[in-house]
Amino acid sequence: LAKTTQPISMDSYEGQEVNITCSHNNIATNDYITWYQQFPSQGPRFIIQGYKTKVTNEVASLFIPADRKSSTLSLPRVSLSDTAVYYCLVGRPMFSGGYNKLIFGAGTRLAVHP
Amino acid sequence: ETGVTQTPRHLVMGMTNKKSLKCEQHLGHNAMYWYKQSAKKPLELMFVYSLEERVENNSVPSRFSPECPNSSHLFLHLHTLQPEDSALYLCASSQETTDTDTQYFGPGTRLTVL
Repeated sequence: LAKTTQPISMDSYEGQEVNITCSHNNIATNDYITWYQQFPSQGPRFIIQGYKTKVTNEVASLFIPADRKSSTLSLPRVSLSDTAVYYCLVGRPMFSGGYNKLIFGAGTRLAVHP
Repeated sequence: ETGVTQTPRHLVMGMTNKKSLKCEQHLGHNAMYWYKQSAKKPLELMFVYSLEERVENNSVPSRFSPECPNSSHLFLHLHTLQPEDSALYLCASSQETTDTDTQYFGPGTRLTVL
């Protein structure tokens, strides 16, 4: 499983765009990139997933350059409720008959201020 | 609501007690997971069940005993725990496929061992 590196913490203010970058230099060809969000004392929640280029959903965008050695989670116009830990994970499910093994790192602790 | 429920949400037990944590998923998934999250530490994968068979046991002490009676239910039986076992225990489920998939986490059980 590819190792990921992301900033330990970030600060932002309400209404700003936040970009969290994750490095995954040894990403494998079939690996995909997934971001989870976790609030205190709750389970992680899936945010977005991508393989290459750009993916956008109702809550975030994920930018992946051509070499796929890094990715950037973009949160538009954050609010106080976006204060959480954000995890970048790289990997893929086993072949049919397998399961999706996730290895969580320390994540990025995002604090949004008024 | 993620479709994964855990009970109890909070549990305090002595080192000589025996207790069980319960997880139920209402998503029709066929893989279930137990994670441990200690204070200020990344999530640690403990056990994985795929198609009701245990496929991974990450060197977890025998005082933790998982059980998966069917694809919707997962238990974690606890006995003679240590204070350092105090943590948030998270259950997750996913649908095993050959494509990318997502783990859905429950709210967790906050366990305190006295």
